[in-house]
Amino acid sequence: DQQVKQNSPSLSVQEGRISILNCDYTNSMFDYFLWYKKYPAEGPTFLISISSIKDKNEDGRFTVFLNKSAKHLSLHIVPSQPGDSAVYFCAASIQGAQKLVFGQGTRLTINP
Amino acid sequence: KAGVTQTPRYLIKTRGQQVTLSCSPISGHRSVSWYQQTPGQGLQFLFEYFSETQRNKGNFPGRFSGRQFSNSRSEMNVSTLELGDSALYLCASSLEQGVLVQYFGPGTRLLVL
Repeated sequence: DQQVKQNSPSLSVQEGRISILNCDYTNSMFDYFLWYKKYPAEGPTFLISISSIKDKNEDGRFTVFLNKSAKHLSLHIVPSQPGDSAVYFCAASIQGAQKLVFGQGTRLTINP
Repeated sequence: KAGVTQTPRYLIKTRGQQVTLSCSPISGHRSVSWYQQTPGQGLQFLFEYFSETQRNKGNFPGRFSGRQFSNSRSEMNVSTLELGDSALYLCASSLEQGVLVQYFGPGTRLLVL
Protein backbone atom coordinates (compact mmCIF):
# COMPACT_ATOMS: atom_id res chain seq x y z
CA ASP A 1 0.00 0.00 0.00
CA GLN A 2 1.78 3.09 -1.30
CA GLN A 3 0.79 5.93 1.01
CA VAL A 4 2.95 8.50 -0.79
CA LYS A 5 3.03 8.52 -4.57
CA GLN A 6 5.09 10.35 -7.11
CA ASN A 7 3.43 9.43 -10.37
CA SER A 8 6.04 10.88 -12.70
CA PRO A 9 9.21 8.76 -12.72
CA SER A 10 11.02 11.40 -14.75
CA LEU A 11 10.79 15.04 -15.80
CA SER A 12 12.86 17.03 -18.27
CA VAL A 13 12.99 20.84 -18.08
CA GLN A 14 14.89 23.55 -19.92
CA GLU A 15 17.45 25.50 -17.92
CA GLY A 16 15.95 28.74 -16.58
CA ARG A 17 12.37 27.48 -16.71
CA ILE A 18 10.20 26.30 -13.83
CA SER A 19 10.35 22.69 -12.64
CA ILE A 20 7.22 21.36 -10.95
CA LEU A 21 7.39 18.05 -9.12
CA ASN A 22 4.21 16.50 -7.78
CA CYS A 23 3.38 14.19 -4.91
CA ASP A 24 0.10 12.68 -3.67
CA TYR A 25 -0.64 11.01 -0.36
CA THR A 26 -3.46 8.89 0.92
CA ASN A 27 -3.08 8.96 4.71
CA SER A 28 -4.97 11.94 6.13
CA MET A 29 -3.02 11.59 9.38
CA PHE A 30 0.15 12.91 7.71
CA ASP A 31 0.81 16.43 8.96
CA TYR A 32 4.39 17.16 7.95
CA PHE A 33 5.90 16.93 4.49
CA LEU A 34 9.46 17.14 3.22
CA TRP A 35 11.33 17.18 -0.08
CA TYR A 36 14.75 15.61 -0.50
CA LYS A 37 17.16 15.63 -3.42
CA LYS A 38 19.41 12.68 -4.13
CA TYR A 39 22.49 12.40 -6.32
CA PRO A 40 23.89 8.96 -7.25
CA ALA A 41 26.09 7.39 -4.57
CA GLU A 42 25.00 9.98 -1.99
CA GLY A 43 22.34 10.04 0.69
CA PRO A 44 19.23 12.23 0.29
CA THR A 45 19.76 15.93 0.99
CA PHE A 46 17.00 17.86 2.76
CA LEU A 47 15.55 20.68 0.65
CA ILE A 48 12.42 22.11 2.18
CA SER A 49 9.51 21.11 4.39
CA ILE A 50 5.98 22.20 5.20
CA SER A 51 3.62 21.65 8.08
CA SER A 52 -0.04 20.92 7.44
CA ILE A 53 -1.02 24.20 9.09
CA LYS A 54 0.50 26.03 6.11
CA ASP A 55 -0.22 25.86 2.40
CA LYS A 56 3.04 27.34 1.14
CA ASN A 57 6.66 27.54 2.17
CA GLU A 58 9.49 29.24 0.29
CA ASP A 59 13.24 28.96 0.51
CA GLY A 60 15.15 30.73 -2.22
CA ARG A 61 14.43 29.07 -5.56
CA PHE A 62 12.35 26.33 -3.91
CA THR A 63 8.67 26.62 -3.00
CA VAL A 64 6.48 23.83 -1.67
CA PHE A 65 2.70 24.03 -1.98
CA LEU A 66 0.33 21.87 0.05
CA ASN A 67 -3.31 21.23 -0.86
CA LYS A 68 -4.72 19.26 2.06
CA SER A 69 -8.18 18.76 0.59
CA ALA A 70 -6.66 17.16 -2.50
CA LYS A 71 -3.92 15.41 -0.47
CA HIS A 72 -1.40 16.83 -2.92
CA LEU A 73 1.87 18.69 -2.62
CA SER A 74 4.19 20.11 -5.21
CA LEU A 75 7.73 21.45 -5.34
CA HIS A 76 8.47 24.39 -7.62
CA ILE A 77 12.04 25.20 -8.60
CA VAL A 78 12.52 28.59 -10.26
CA PRO A 79 14.71 29.12 -12.19
CA SER A 80 15.92 25.59 -12.85
CA GLN A 81 19.68 25.11 -13.00
CA PRO A 82 21.81 22.22 -14.34
CA GLY A 83 22.88 21.38 -10.76
CA ASP A 84 19.24 20.65 -9.96
CA SER A 85 19.43 17.46 -12.03
CA ALA A 86 18.86 14.69 -9.47
CA VAL A 87 16.20 12.37 -8.09
CA TYR A 88 13.66 14.17 -5.91
CA PHE A 89 11.77 12.39 -3.15
CA CYS A 90 8.78 13.65 -1.26
CA ALA A 91 8.25 12.28 2.23
CA ALA A 92 5.45 12.49 4.73
CA SER A 93 5.23 12.00 8.45
CA ILE A 94 2.99 12.22 11.44
CA GLN A 95 4.52 14.59 13.97
CA GLY A 96 5.86 12.62 16.89
CA ALA A 97 6.21 9.40 14.90
CA GLN A 98 9.76 10.16 13.66
CA LYS A 99 9.14 7.93 10.66
CA LEU A 100 9.33 9.27 7.12
CA VAL A 101 7.23 7.60 4.41
CA PHE A 102 8.80 8.25 1.02
CA GLY A 103 7.48 8.38 -2.52
CA GLN A 104 9.27 6.47 -5.26
CA GLY A 105 11.10 9.54 -6.53
CA THR A 106 11.11 11.65 -9.71
CA ARG A 107 14.27 11.96 -11.79
CA LEU A 108 14.62 15.61 -12.83
CA THR A 109 16.87 16.45 -15.78
CA ILE A 110 17.68 20.09 -16.54
CA ASN A 111 18.69 20.59 -20.15
CA PRO A 112 21.03 23.47 -21.10
CA LYS B 1 29.97 20.63 11.36
CA ALA B 2 30.58 17.14 9.97
CA GLY B 3 27.62 15.35 8.46
CA VAL B 4 26.31 11.88 9.14
CA THR B 5 28.97 9.26 8.52
CA GLN B 6 28.41 5.60 7.75
CA THR B 7 30.86 2.72 7.64
CA PRO B 8 31.60 0.72 5.68
CA ARG B 9 30.48 2.29 2.41
CA TYR B 10 30.41 -1.00 0.51
CA LEU B 11 30.05 -4.57 1.68
CA ILE B 12 29.74 -7.96 0.02
CA LYS B 13 28.39 -10.89 2.01
CA THR B 14 26.99 -14.34 1.25
CA ARG B 15 23.61 -15.76 2.14
CA GLY B 16 23.33 -16.88 5.75
CA GLN B 17 26.02 -14.54 7.05
CA GLN B 18 25.36 -11.60 9.32
CA VAL B 19 26.42 -8.00 8.94
CA THR B 20 26.81 -4.95 11.18
CA LEU B 21 26.63 -1.42 9.83
CA SER B 22 27.70 1.66 11.72
CA CYS B 23 26.41 5.23 11.81
CA SER B 24 27.74 8.36 13.50
CA PRO B 25 25.15 11.16 13.64
CA ILE B 26 25.78 14.86 13.28
CA SER B 27 27.37 16.19 16.46
CA GLY B 28 24.64 17.06 18.94
CA HIS B 29 21.96 15.02 17.19
CA ARG B 30 20.40 12.43 19.45
CA SER B 31 17.86 10.67 17.22
CA VAL B 32 19.07 8.16 14.65
CA SER B 33 16.87 6.44 12.07
CA TRP B 34 17.67 3.71 9.57
CA TYR B 35 16.17 3.24 6.12
CA GLN B 36 16.53 0.62 3.40
CA GLN B 37 16.49 1.64 -0.26
CA THR B 38 15.86 -0.93 -2.98
CA PRO B 39 14.81 -0.45 -6.63
CA GLY B 40 11.55 -2.30 -6.04
CA GLN B 41 10.43 -0.96 -2.67
CA GLY B 42 12.05 2.47 -2.61
CA LEU B 43 13.06 4.03 0.68
CA GLN B 44 11.57 2.22 3.65
CA PHE B 45 11.85 3.00 7.35
CA LEU B 46 13.56 0.34 9.47
CA PHE B 47 13.72 1.79 12.99
CA GLU B 48 14.57 4.84 15.06
CA TYR B 49 16.64 5.16 18.20
CA PHE B 50 16.68 7.91 20.78
CA SER B 51 18.41 7.86 24.16
CA GLU B 52 19.64 4.32 23.47
CA THR B 53 16.07 3.05 23.10
CA GLN B 54 14.21 1.93 19.99
CA ARG B 55 11.27 4.34 19.71
CA ASN B 56 9.76 3.40 16.37
CA LYS B 57 9.95 0.32 14.18
CA GLY B 58 9.07 -0.33 10.56
CA ASN B 59 7.66 -3.46 9.03
CA PHE B 60 10.79 -5.58 8.78
CA PRO B 61 11.48 -9.08 10.14
CA GLY B 62 13.29 -9.65 13.41
CA ARG B 63 16.51 -10.42 11.53
CA PHE B 64 16.93 -6.65 11.37
CA SER B 65 17.98 -5.14 14.67
CA GLY B 66 19.85 -2.15 15.93
CA ARG B 67 21.18 -0.36 18.93
CA GLN B 68 22.33 3.05 19.98
CA PHE B 69 25.20 3.94 22.27
CA SER B 70 25.44 6.66 24.88
CA ASN B 71 27.30 8.92 22.41
CA SER B 72 24.33 8.58 20.00
CA ARG B 73 26.29 6.46 17.54
CA SER B 74 24.18 3.61 16.18
CA GLU B 75 24.65 0.20 14.64
CA MET B 76 22.26 -1.99 12.75
CA ASN B 77 22.62 -5.72 12.38
CA VAL B 78 21.13 -8.08 9.85
CA SER B 79 21.38 -11.77 10.65
CA THR B 80 20.95 -14.75 8.33
CA LEU B 81 21.30 -12.62 5.22
CA GLU B 82 19.04 -13.26 2.24
CA LEU B 83 19.54 -12.22 -1.38
CA GLY B 84 16.70 -9.72 -0.99
CA ASP B 85 18.63 -7.86 1.68
CA SER B 86 20.87 -6.42 -1.01
CA ALA B 87 20.18 -2.70 -0.75
CA LEU B 88 21.47 0.73 0.16
CA TYR B 89 21.16 1.20 3.92
CA LEU B 90 20.81 4.81 4.94
CA CYS B 91 21.21 6.31 8.35
CA ALA B 92 19.64 9.66 9.22
CA SER B 93 19.96 11.85 12.28
CA SER B 94 17.88 14.61 13.78
CA LEU B 95 18.40 16.89 16.72
CA GLU B 96 15.77 15.41 18.96
CA GLN B 97 12.96 12.93 18.75
CA GLY B 98 9.98 14.76 17.32
CA VAL B 99 12.14 16.95 15.07
CA LEU B 100 11.12 15.62 11.71
CA VAL B 101 13.84 17.04 9.49
CA GLN B 102 16.31 14.21 9.17
CA TYR B 103 19.79 14.49 7.68
CA PHE B 104 21.07 11.47 5.82
CA GLY B 105 24.46 9.87 5.53
CA PRO B 106 25.88 8.54 2.24
CA GLY B 107 24.68 5.02 2.94
CA THR B 108 26.21 1.55 3.00
CA ARG B 109 25.75 -0.47 -0.18
CA LEU B 110 25.26 -4.13 0.80
CA LEU B 111 25.42 -6.88 -1.79
CA VAL B 112 24.38 -10.38 -0.75
CA LEU B 113 25.57 -13.20 -3.01
